[in-house]
Amino acid sequence: GIQVEQSPPDLILQEGANSTLRCNFSDSVNNLQWFHQNPWGQLINLFYIPSGTKQNGRLSATTVATERYSLLYISSSQTTDSGVYFCAVERLNSGGSNYKLTFGKGTLLTVNP
Amino acid sequence: DTEVTQTPKHLVMGMTNKKSLKCEQHMGHRAMYWYKQKAKKPPELMFVYSYEKLSINESVPSRFSPECPNSSLLNLHLHALQPEDSALYLCASSQIWTRSALPSSYNEQFFGPGTRLTVL
Repeated sequence: GIQVEQSPPDLILQEGANSTLRCNFSDSVNNLQWFHQNPWGQLINLFYIPSGTKQNGRLSATTVATERYSLLYISSSQTTDSGVYFCAVERLNSGGSNYKLTFGKGTLLTVNP
Repeated sequence: DTEVTQTPKHLVMGMTNKKSLKCEQHMGHRAMYWYKQKAKKPPELMFVYSYEKLSINESVPSRFSPECPNSSLLNLHLHALQPEDSALYLCASSQIWTRSALPSSYNEQFFGPGTRLTVL
């Protein structure tokens, strides 16, 4: 199956700092999602981005599908950005969706005031 | 509306109890999922329903019994659980993507807030 590696595993920032999280995957994918899991456990959709670049406020993401990686940028970080960031990918089979998102192990981000 | 709801938020049960977790979505999605997540780990897929039929069972023990009564609801019935089953249980839903579908269709999964289960 597809392997997904995220780096760094842990990241500690001061409020206001910028950061880049990376997701490498071992095969071509049709679906790539970035999630933020808050301290209460809710998985929040940040981006659906199998290729290209998207921006949403202070967050942006870029996926370079040909080189099998995706980057999540967080600018001017806030304490509410703390939590675990997961990258998850899916490779479709010949019939369509196989429904299986393969998750990376996540990056634990702590933003200190 | 991109909301998936789950009840209860927290559940404590003994090993001889029977309980159910509930999940609901009103996004018109025809695929629904149960995941289990242990502390400091990513979610692990348990079951997938597509068009209200069980499509995937990831070799989950029979003490977990899923049910999809209609296209909006998904239940997980629990019986004779073990303490190691204590975890966060997440429900998700998505459209169903097929290669013949329009390019705008995709399998973006949306998650509920989870049920934190403790088995004593």
